[in-house]
Amino acid sequence: EPEVTQTPSHQVTQMGQEVILRCVPISNHLYFYWYRQILGQKVEFLVSFYNNEISEKSEIFDDQFSVERPDGSNFTLKIRSTKLEDSAMYFCASRGQVYNEQFFGPGTRLTVL
Amino acid sequence: DQQVKQNSPSLSVQEGRISILNCDYTNSMFDYFLWYKKYPAEGPTFLISISSIKDKNEDGRFTVFLNKSAKHLSLHIVPSQPGDSAVYFCAASREDGNKLVFGAGTILRVKS
Repeated sequence: EPEVTQTPSHQVTQMGQEVILRCVPISNHLYFYWYRQILGQKVEFLVSFYNNEISEKSEIFDDQFSVERPDGSNFTLKIRSTKLEDSAMYFCASRGQVYNEQFFGPGTRLTVL
Repeated sequence: DQQVKQNSPSLSVQEGRISILNCDYTNSMFDYFLWYKKYPAEGPTFLISISSIKDKNEDGRFTVFLNKSAKHLSLHIVPSQPGDSAVYFCAASREDGNKLVFGAGTILRVKS
């Protein structure tokens, strides 16, 4: 069964460093998303991406964040200068054209020291 | 952001019995609702969904009920199995929209 994959599973970085989180969505999906879950809090939406552009973003998704689909398979989230409060699980999701169900990857645990 | 609320942080059920997980929402613009199951250190796994034009959707042991006037939905699991023990998230979206808005989750424990 097709699934969303994410790498790395765990990333540790120093405050102020740039990180890139990678995702491979399900191959025939057209809509791509990033969410995050800070420990003990809700899963919260960051950004959605369709047709090579951002379709919606939350107030969390400020200028420090960017997304890219550099080729036909990868979808990346870049945080330019990480802050302590960026420590969270980051989930990538994708969905197809017809149904509204989003399928999530296993997540990347980002730890900012 | 309290648009989707799951007021029960946890639920404990005996194996073989029914599990009922509840969810309330406040935003009347939501018209598509989903339930996800999550194990520790894994991503949310899609379980079942319902559009606002329906009041019930069934898939095997899982049934979702939607009461639009009360802005309430519930997930029924019958019969419950120990493997169902996980965190269950309710999520909502606009049918033509993008983002999912999640509830805080309910920890389900099924005792054998």
